[in-house]
Amino acid sequence: DTEVTQTPKHLVMGMTNKKSLKCEQHMGHRAMYWYKQKAKKPPELMFVYSYEKLSINESVPSRFSPECPNSSLLNLHLHALQPEDSALYLCASSGGGSSTDTQYFGPGTRLTVL
Amino acid sequence: GQNIDQPTEMTATEGAIVQINCTYQTSGFNGLFWYQQHAGEAPTFLSYNVLDGLEEKGRFSSFLSRSKGYSYLLLKELQMKDSASYLCAVSDSNYQLIWGAGTKLIIKP
Repeated sequence: DTEVTQTPKHLVMGMTNKKSLKCEQHMGHRAMYWYKQKAKKPPELMFVYSYEKLSINESVPSRFSPECPNSSLLNLHLHALQPEDSALYLCASSGGGSSTDTQYFGPGTRLTVL
Repeated sequence: GQNIDQPTEMTATEGAIVQINCTYQTSGFNGLFWYQQHAGEAPTFLSYNVLDGLEEKGRFSSFLSRSKGYSYLLLKELQMKDSASYLCAVSDSNYQLIWGAGTKLIIKP
């Protein structure tokens, strides 16, 4: 089973709203990732959690706040977003915490900021 | 700098064979991945190469030459459902994935 689940599938929010994206995996993977993907572009790494600790933050604006409550769950809290933040947000997980482990992606959340 | 190049778009015919090339220049190398991504969907893992040579998996094969900084993905017996973007990604010395821009493959009947 290589399933990563994400909710919601679609999200529309205003610039003053607070919302959260959720990601879950039950493969026993120790690394989890948030990516942002714009149309016709490759995924852009935002955050990496390794063994439930934030190991990489790719200079992401503070209006994006990640959280890893346990080894299976990963959240992305959103606050005061801008229209240019509209994108597909992908969660991924991999086994041992290094990128030589294959990353498996969830279906993504399509976010629209009005 | 780090750079991965792949063609922007390719067109092929149903039932034929197509080869998608990827060249890379990265700070270190810990393997190369190919992912398939249908429009509006998440990338799905196709293959991983870390040693030189050909890895075959059903209709899909992937080749790596580390000395040339080169890989290709070979798709045989093309089907309409193979219409998608194909992303090449390299794991660099920090074990971070460096992504190519993707190749959009269009399959015609």
